[in-house]
Amino acid sequence: EAGVTQSPTHLIKTRGQQATLRCSPISGHTSVYWYQQALGLGLQFLLWYDEGEERNRGNFPPRFSGRQFPNYSSELNVNALELEDSALYLCASSLSSREYGYTFGSGTRLTVV
Amino acid sequence: KQEVTQIPAALSVPEGENLVLNCSFTDSAIYNLQWFRQDPGKGLTSLLLIQSSQREQTSGRLNASLDKSSGRSTLYIAASQPGDSATYLCAVLTNAGGTSYGKLTFGQGTILTVHP
Repeated sequence: EAGVTQSPTHLIKTRGQQATLRCSPISGHTSVYWYQQALGLGLQFLLWYDEGEERNRGNFPPRFSGRQFPNYSSELNVNALELEDSALYLCASSLSSREYGYTFGSGTRLTVV
Repeated sequence: KQEVTQIPAALSVPEGENLVLNCSFTDSAIYNLQWFRQDPGKGLTSLLLIQSSQREQTSGRLNASLDKSSGRSTLYIAASQPGDSATYLCAVLTNAGGTSYGKLTFGQGTILTVHP
């Protein structure tokens, strides 16, 4: 069974540009979660999508947005990139009931220069 | 607001030692608790998942306990090996609405080094 896959693995962008990160959940999982892991700041919750709808978002500005497609894959968009957006972005998926926990992908390393 | 604390922040032990990592959380109304391992620059690997109704879970050399009423969990690693060196993260899923709905709250992690 394929795990949670994220692309690209690495992404280098210039300040002010836009970045798009992609996530494919485990087959059968309908919920997708996005987390940011910046150096020294731990894992911060960004967004939760379930059945195509945004269910909750963390304390991040509106330039962090995303969506979930009918096949439950998801993308995270970060507009007007700032240097402090440089981080490892992790995607996780789960069943709606969440009783089997969350499975994480390997992440996308975003570097803003 | 759920807060998760992990102690110690770092731990260095010789190979073969048994060790305990600690996790505490402020809101006992949790759905479940999950322990993860993270290697440098990599994603998270799930180690153990404990539902709120359970007291412990075991997988190989790992054993995790949960005391929901006191807001504590421990991860016990038996006969540690150099390959166990990684950051260990504890995360809780709060069984509540509002801003905590659906999100895992993570501790800052324990950096474990097992030297030969």
